[in-house]
Amino acid sequence: AQKVTQAQTEISVVEKEDVTLDCVYETRDTTYYLFWYKQPPSGELVFLIRRNSFDEQNEISGRYSWNFQKSTSSFNFTITASQVVDSAVYFCALSEANMGGTSYGKLTFGQGTILTVHP
Amino acid sequence: DSGVTQTPKHLITATGQRVTLRCSPRSGDLSVYWYQQSLDQGLQFLIHYYNGEERAKGNILERFSAQQFPDLHSELNLSSLELGDSALYFCASSVLEGASTDTQYFGPGTRLTVL
Repeated sequence: AQKVTQAQTEISVVEKEDVTLDCVYETRDTTYYLFWYKQPPSGELVFLIRRNSFDEQNEISGRYSWNFQKSTSSFNFTITASQVVDSAVYFCALSEANMGGTSYGKLTFGQGTILTVHP
Repeated sequence: DSGVTQTPKHLITATGQRVTLRCSPRSGDLSVYWYQQSLDQGLQFLIHYYNGEERAKGNILERFSAQQFPDLHSELNLSSLELGDSALYFCASSVLEGASTDTQYFGPGTRLTVL
């Protein structure tokens, strides 16, 4: 069965600090998809990134970057120069692919990491 | 704004009652997913519909049911409500049936409180 673990329940930083959110996953499939979502205090879930298991290239988008390492089954998320607006709960999620290499669609979420950025 | 709409935003009801949550997917999306977010269980997948047909079931109770209509909106029906059903219910939509390039976009959620 697939599983996602976000060991950091809560992280507190001061503005402008860099912060890394850890995500470790378990799956028996060779084809799968990893996601990060952000849930701000308003409650909605905001999509941040999708990565497939064949693409281990790291990605950077503005102050956000993601480090995918299949060898350690990790998909970590780093926010550089954090800001108060980054305060939210961040979820890592996993979707396994079927025989055709497409996603089942069902997302398995980690428990989330609460990030608080203080001014 | 993801383009996925959910109504109502808040719902307060009593144990034993039945409620219906409604979701309209993004324009052009054929897949609708329902998730439940509670403090003890976290975010859990409930059910997936594609173009009107049920595609996958997760941890959905027998007291819960869903359907997707010809206009692609979906409803989640919760009956014989218990205190433990209090949660935030999310609907998400995606273009296809979970294709490799697919991404689920979530609505704002419906917060259900059972008293």
